[in-house]
Amino acid sequence: QSALTQPASVSGSPGQSITISCTGTSSDVGSYNLLSWYQQHPGKAPKLMIYEVGERPSGVSNRFSGSKSGNTASLTISGLQAEDEADYYCCSYAGSSTVVFGGGTKLTVL
Amino acid sequence: EVQLLESGGGLVQPGGSLRLSCAASGFRFSSYAMSWVRQAPGKGLEWVSSVTGSGGYTYYADSVKGRFAISRDNSKNTLYLQMNSLRAEDTAVYYCAKCDDYVWGSYRFSYWGQGTLVTVSS
Repeated sequence: QSALTQPASVSGSPGQSITISCTGTSSDVGSYNLLSWYQQHPGKAPKLMIYEVGERPSGVSNRFSGSKSGNTASLTISGLQAEDEADYYCCSYAGSSTVVFGGGTKLTVL
Repeated sequence: EVQLLESGGGLVQPGGSLRLSCAASGFRFSSYAMSWVRQAPGKGLEWVSSVTGSGGYTYYADSVKGRFAISRDNSKNTLYLQMNSLRAEDTAVYYCAKCDDYVWGSYRFSYWGQGTLVTVSS
């Protein structure tokens, strides 16, 4: 179970849109729509932001959206705000009742 | 309001054992699968283990299989993680997480506790 690949860091200015990629293989991301995204602020617990590729839990801003193409999933944050600065992790079902996380991406709001 | 409160972390020597607990409230505990996810200092998240709502089925990451055991007591609304043969690489904050279904079929973590730190060192 190798970790999914995410960029170490991305940045954007307030009001802009950014996209974080999450690349796996045909054994995980490419085979299932069981892909979720988590936001983690420093010293805090992670928070579910997106599930099943593009679904948002109740209470999560519609500025957050998700998509997938082949073995790569993406998280897009539009109208970037200072409070969005955090680490973001993708997570995919990997078969045999296991899941695998991405290495995480640090989002900096300039 | 869903609340998950982990306890039991601390310093343990390599080869030692530790049992973590997670007290849950704010939802029907027995109706949901539960999981443990860990995060080594300065590193990313790693799924450790999950258990179905009944406790009858358990699942483990290869890195902990045979050493860790997940269990739950639905009468006490409490999740456990028994950790044996601990190694330095098990050092991490361990999070308890609520899953979105009964059988660990949603493969997502909808609520997380604040975590408990386990340090394995001599």
